[in-house]
Amino acid sequence: GEDVEQSLFLSVREGDSSVINCTYTDSSSTYLYWYKQEPGAGLQLLTYIFSNMDMKQDQRLTVLLNKKDKHLSLRIADTQTGDSAIYFCAESIYGNKLVFGAGTILRVKS
Amino acid sequence: KAGVTQTPRYLIKTRGQQVTLSCSPISGHRSVSWYQQTPGQGLQFLFEYFSETQRNKGNFPGRFSGRQFSNSRSEMNVSTLELGDSALYLCASSSNTHEQFFGPGTRLTVL
Repeated sequence: GEDVEQSLFLSVREGDSSVINCTYTDSSSTYLYWYKQEPGAGLQLLTYIFSNMDMKQDQRLTVLLNKKDKHLSLRIADTQTGDSAIYFCAESIYGNKLVFGAGTILRVKS
Repeated sequence: KAGVTQTPRYLIKTRGQQVTLSCSPISGHRSVSWYQQTPGQGLQFLFEYFSETQRNKGNFPGRFSGRQFSNSRSEMNVSTLELGDSALYLCASSSNTHEQFFGPGTRLTVL
């Protein structure tokens, strides 16, 4: 089945690292994504990883994929107040159909 | 390149009416997908159009329909509006199956 789960809330101090976790159920997922949504805005694509990769790094962002456990994580290094937002994990099931998690609210305290 | 644009940004309708939302993809992108975002159900896939053909469809009633024009612009229509159709409707465009770029959304309120 198609299901993506995320923890609902994460609070960190400015300058610390944030780790947002996600689990998915469909083993046929080809790509897994992280999107960011700020209040009143659409979704911003942060990064994505192909299902045959274990890790992808992009500046302050590190994505780890454990395909055996169907677990995906997003690490944000040196978290800033501007990183406060809702982060969505998503898997591509077929073509451009994305199945999203409920989103994790990241709050960064200064 | 200009991003994905959606019009209108805000819309208020009453139950029973119909509504048409528009999405202009990034230049050169031929795939347009639509999603509904609500507090209760989160983000749900409505449908995808590619080269004027519906390529994939989510689990929404037939009141939700869409189309794509030859210039890749897409419209979605919701007929016989219900209170539960109040949502943020997001469209995303893609040139391949790896990256989808979202527009700012249309906030629909049904009274």
